[in-house]
Amino acid sequence: AQSVTQLDSHVSVSEGTPVLLRCNYSSSYSPSLFWYVQHPNKGLQLLLKYTSAATLVKGINGFEAEFKKSETSFHLTKPSAHMSDAAEYFCVVSDTKSWGKLQFGAGTQVVVTP
Amino acid sequence: DTEVTQTPKHLVMGMTNKKSLKCEQHMGHRAMYWYKQKAKKPPELMFVYSYEKLSINESVPSRFSPECPNSSLLNLHLHALQPEDSALYLCASSRGGNYNEQFFGPGTRLTVL
Repeated sequence: AQSVTQLDSHVSVSEGTPVLLRCNYSSSYSPSLFWYVQHPNKGLQLLLKYTSAATLVKGINGFEAEFKKSETSFHLTKPSAHMSDAAEYFCVVSDTKSWGKLQFGAGTQVVVTP
Repeated sequence: DTEVTQTPKHLVMGMTNKKSLKCEQHMGHRAMYWYKQKAKKPPELMFVYSYEKLSINESVPSRFSPECPNSSLLNLHLHALQPEDSALYLCASSRGGNYNEQFFGPGTRLTVL
């Protein structure tokens, strides 16, 4: 079985400061891991994905995530937050045993203050 | 073309109405998905079509009826819905096979009165 835990339901950062969104996963098989972002009343946009290649994954808009198998973590970071980063972020896991099914975390709402 | 489109953007319907949601992709993807998303929650999978055949139905009530006319189109037919069915309905697509990365459309905001 696969599962995802996002450790923070809400993160508030100041513009220009680093952002850290924490995600732990559980999977019995080789997992693929994703981060999606959802702005208000919009669909989900893929930020980045891990699929067993490099453990440090670079995504769009300056985001990156590091896959740590020993810690079963896939935390998302950005060095400098921008006002446009205010949104809901979902950590997602999928494995080869559960084709077609993405397991979503509960989401982390990011607020960026000027 | 690297996007999934959905129509309409907003839909208001009564409990006795029949309506349809439409989804289209031109990325050559062979798997398409319907999700339901309530406010402040992650999306919940409803249906999966793989190579135009229904492969997953997550025990969705029969008042929701999916249809995949061809590999680029996905419909969701709605009939006799309840107010609790009000939500954002998202369509997604993926390449299929071992490729599990899904691309989402902007969604249809459905309100059932």
